[in-house]
Amino acid sequence: DAGVTQSPTHLIKTRGQQVTLRCSPKSGHDTVSWYQQALGQGPQFIFQYYEEEERQRGNFPDRFSGHQFPNYSSELNVNALLLGDSALYLCASSPPDSQYYGYTFGSGTRLTVV
Amino acid sequence: GQQLNQSPQSMFIQEGEDVSMNCTSSSIFNTWLWYKQDPGEGPVLLIALYKAGELTSNGRLTAQFGITRKDSFLNISASIPSDVGIYFCAGQLGNTPLVFGKGTRLSVIA
Repeated sequence: DAGVTQSPTHLIKTRGQQVTLRCSPKSGHDTVSWYQQALGQGPQFIFQYYEEEERQRGNFPDRFSGHQFPNYSSELNVNALLLGDSALYLCASSPPDSQYYGYTFGSGTRLTVV
Repeated sequence: GQQLNQSPQSMFIQEGEDVSMNCTSSSIFNTWLWYKQDPGEGPVLLIALYKAGELTSNGRLTAQFGITRKDSFLNISASIPSDVGIYFCAGQLGNTPLVFGKGTRLSVIA
């Protein structure tokens, strides 16, 4: 049974560009949360998607947006990239009615902005 | 964003030694979680605590939920080389996103 799958694993972008990261949740999970983990820091909550809608949002600017598809997979989009957006982006899925319990994290996408 | 205070930031220990790390917060939580993250991987849940004062074990790992609900600690007994990694605490209040600490980096010397 596959866990949470994220793609790509690594990505290099230039300042000002836009990026899309993808996440497939664990089988049976319907809720997807995205976290940003800067080097040497713990993960910071970006937002959570459930039933194709953004349910909760952390303290991130509108440049960060997302989407959830009918098959529960999700995308994270970041516009107008800044050097400070360089980080490991983690996707976590959770089962029905659990929201933040029973989290399973993916291995992340390492984004480098140059 | 808010992060929990986790200490120590890093530690080097000999194989076989016991390890202790803790996490404190200025606000209360009703759930405390401990994760381990290996290089190139996402965090993996080690122990979950749901009640103040609760003491829970998972093999050589033991964690406690502080009585004040503002702290938690994790102990690892008889460390082995595969214990190397970064350990994160996370707190949660109600149905809100997890708040993570900055992590404790553990290195084990054989």
